[in-house]
Amino acid sequence: AQRVTQPEKLLSVFKGAPVELKCNYSYSGSPELFWYVQYSRQRLQLLLRHISRESIKGFTADLNKGETSFHLKKPFAQEEDSAMYYCALNYRGSTLGRLYFGRGTQLTVWP
Amino acid sequence: NAGVTQTPKFRILKIGQSMTLQCAQDMNHNYMYWYRQDPGMGLKLIYYSVGAGITDKGEVPNGYNVSRSTTEDFPLRLELAAPSQTSVYFCASSHQGSTGELFFGEGSRLTVL
Repeated sequence: AQRVTQPEKLLSVFKGAPVELKCNYSYSGSPELFWYVQYSRQRLQLLLRHISRESIKGFTADLNKGETSFHLKKPFAQEEDSAMYYCALNYRGSTLGRLYFGRGTQLTVWP
Repeated sequence: NAGVTQTPKFRILKIGQSMTLQCAQDMNHNYMYWYRQDPGMGLKLIYYSVGAGITDKGEVPNGYNVSRSTTEDFPLRLELAAPSQTSVYFCASSHQGSTGELFFGEGSRLTVL
């Protein structure tokens, strides 16, 4: 069965510190992984996807198939990064959004 | 563009009552979805649709029904509300060919007492 695990429910860092939000998955096929973000009083929105290999708002995430992980990283956290972050998995090559979500990590960046 | 619009935002139901959560999108997306999120948990797919007249079950479809008579609208029906259906419901849509990029509504918080 597909499963996405985000071990940290809450994560706090100070502004300027590095931040890493952990995501592990279990899936027997080839996955596509995503990070979604929900800022306060805003809608859930896509932050980045592993196939794009891009940096969005300073965040990057690398798919590690050996460790079945897709951790989200940012070298210098900003206060505006405070939000709820969800890791999500889809079947590779599927254009249908049947995503499996983790429970989310609430990131707080203190000034 | 309003994107994905859900109504109502909040609702309290008594056990056994019925209601419909409305969802509309103005992005001409073929694919639409209903997810639910229980406290402290991730979103789980209830139903989805790949186009008008076509719907299919997701992970947790029991107790719900959907219809898709137009591209724009995808209502979710609860026939006999139960406390286990207390949750936050999210409607989403995506463009056919867009891998995994969903556009979400603001959510509807439903409490069944």
